[in-house]
Amino acid sequence: DIQMTQSPSSLSASVGDRVTITCQASQDINNYLNWYQQKPGKAPNLLIYDASNLETGVPSRFSGSGSGTDFTFTISSLQPEDIATYYCQQYDNLLLTFGGGTKVEIK
Amino acid sequence: EVQLVESGGGLIQPGGSLRLSCAASGFTVSDNYMSWVRQAPGKGLEWVSVIYSGGSTNYADSVKGRFTISRDNSKNTLYLQMSSLRAEDTAVYYCARAFGDILTLSYWGQGTLVTVSS
Repeated sequence: DIQMTQSPSSLSASVGDRVTITCQASQDINNYLNWYQQKPGKAPNLLIYDASNLETGVPSRFSGSGSGTDFTFTISSLQPEDIATYYCQQYDNLLLTFGGGTKVEIK
Repeated sequence: EVQLVESGGGLIQPGGSLRLSCAASGFTVSDNYMSWVRQAPGKGLEWVSVIYSGGSTNYADSVKGRFTISRDNSKNTLYLQMSSLRAEDTAVYYCARAFGDILTLSYWGQGTLVTVSS
């Protein structure tokens, strides 16, 4: 099974800061990597699909990059409404796995 | 408008069985890959099971042999039959619709809480 290692597990940043989260796959997954945002008490929400494509309606301050085993998720300018936990998810081989999550807080 | 509404959660004793339902509207369940994802209290997301559009299924090792995913095309509803439940199965269970035959989970239900406790 493919394992996803996400880091950091939590971070604290100021409004306006650039925030970066990484996700590493245990084997090559091409670009089969998605990013989700989950706010407390809510279901996850898809932000980025296929590593770098912005889902419709998602603000452009969110972006993703990477291919193969190493992926990056970036919030270019952190906003108060971005407080949430973010998860990567791979879907190679008709199975899927989530990363452990990154909790983003405001400093 | 795509909607997914889960039901069937509740308090169940260890070793018991429970069936979760996910009623779908705005699309046809059998045309898409459909999945169950769970989240234990204070923990991260864990994929549980998937049913592909052709009807074949797959499961996480943690539930294999105990859980069964299925769908009723006439009711446009997804199910998760859970048996031999353990305390570690306690979680909010979400159903989710994939993007066609790509396991990108584009739509999620609101979740239903399953608590396994004596």
